[in-house]
Formats: sequence, structure tokens, C-alpha cells
Amino acid sequence: GAVVSQHPSWVICKSGTSVKIECRSLDFQATTMFWYRQFPKQSLMLMATSNEGSKATYEQGVEKDKFLINHASLTLSTLTVTSAHPEDSSFYICSASRPRSNQPQHFGDGTRLSIL
Amino acid sequence: AQSVTQLDSQVPVFEEAPVELRCNYSSSVSVYLFWYVQYPNQGLQLLLKYLSGSTLVKGINGFEAEFNKSQTSFHLRKPSVHISDTAEYFCAVSDGGGYQKVTFGTGTKLQVIP
Repeated sequence: GAVVSQHPSWVICKSGTSVKIECRSLDFQATTMFWYRQFPKQSLMLMATSNEGSKATYEQGVEKDKFLINHASLTLSTLTVTSAHPEDSSFYICSASRPRSNQPQHFGDGTRLSIL
Repeated sequence: AQSVTQLDSQVPVFEEAPVELRCNYSSSVSVYLFWYVQYPNQGLQLLLKYLSGSTLVKGINGFEAEFNKSQTSFHLRKPSVHISDTAEYFCAVSDGGGYQKVTFGTGTKLQVIP
């Protein structure tokens, strides 16, 4: 069964709205979670690394104030797209890995965000 | 810095025929290599991984891959494909295991023709 749950799976909203996406690790505590963005027919691009209890580490070119990440507990990280615009429409995927493990990351099923 | 190259953006193949999806990587340190499959509007599912040990890695759904250090390759193979294998396949590399940053290739769309 799924070990990482992502919610919602699909969001359609008006331009200017803020949208929150949740990523939960279901059967382990994830001190680190990752947020990716995927444009149609393209690969996954890492946006940021979410660290429990501390600030997220953003990749170059990703706006921190636009994409707010909160990792308040060991099983939950949230990505908030603030004042979303049509160019923010994309497929957002989170992943989590077991602490101090060399095992692969587990991925959520993704969130399709469509801004009208 | 690490990178992954998937040379083929699309690979059409007839059902029950063999297939190879190519992946080349570059990294300055020891690598961990992965193949993931993505079905439309879904997240990624791990097919197989290479962490260490035997260079021939067997995964789910009849897939296997071979780690070739001298050629810096990690090609994915299946001896006989099914319609259900139609999906996007991503090769990925990490230099520190699952809790470290993973770099993905651009993906290969496998189209199985009935």
C-alpha cells in the first residue's frame, strides 16, 4: 500500500487564490521530504527539500515567498502556492524517505494544479 | 554535480517484443541509481534500484537493469513487453541514498503497440 499520501489530487481555482498541498508519510517518520514540479511531458524538477523543524532548502530559481513550505511534524509537510497564477499550473509531487536510510524515496501520487 | 541522460524520448515497441530504455549518468562520487515508472496523472513507482553489489538488478513487472561503471550506464530491459507497460519511465541518480537529493532524467515514453 501507499506509504506517502498526497492531498488533494486535483485542484482547480481562480487566479490569485492560495492553494495548500499536503504530503504525509503514513508508516514512518520522515525528517526530510522533497517537493517536485513536473510540467507536461517533462521530467521532475526538485523545488525544495523540506526539513522537519527547520526552514526548507530551495533550489535555485524557486521563489521562497511564492512556494511556502512547512514541515511542522515528522509525518506532514505542506506546500502552499501563494497568489497562484496560470503559469503556476503544473503537477506537484512530494516524496519522503526513511531517516538515515539509503533506500529510495517514496513518492506521493501527485497534485494536478490548474489555475484559471 | 550529478546528471542523467535519457537519449530516447519515445520508444515504440510491439507487444511481446523485447525493449531496452537507455540511461547514462555522471557523478563525481559513488552513485545510487533508480528506475521509476509513471502512469498518467500519477506519482512515481519504483521499478528497481542499484545501491551496491551485483551489477544486474531485477525489479518488479519483469524489468531488469545492468549497472555498467565503465560506460556510466544503467539501461533498463524487459524481454517481453505488455500493453500495460505503456508509461513514462524515468532514470534517476542520487549520490547519497534516498534521503539525499535525487536527479531525474527527462524520461522515456514507452509505447507498446498491440
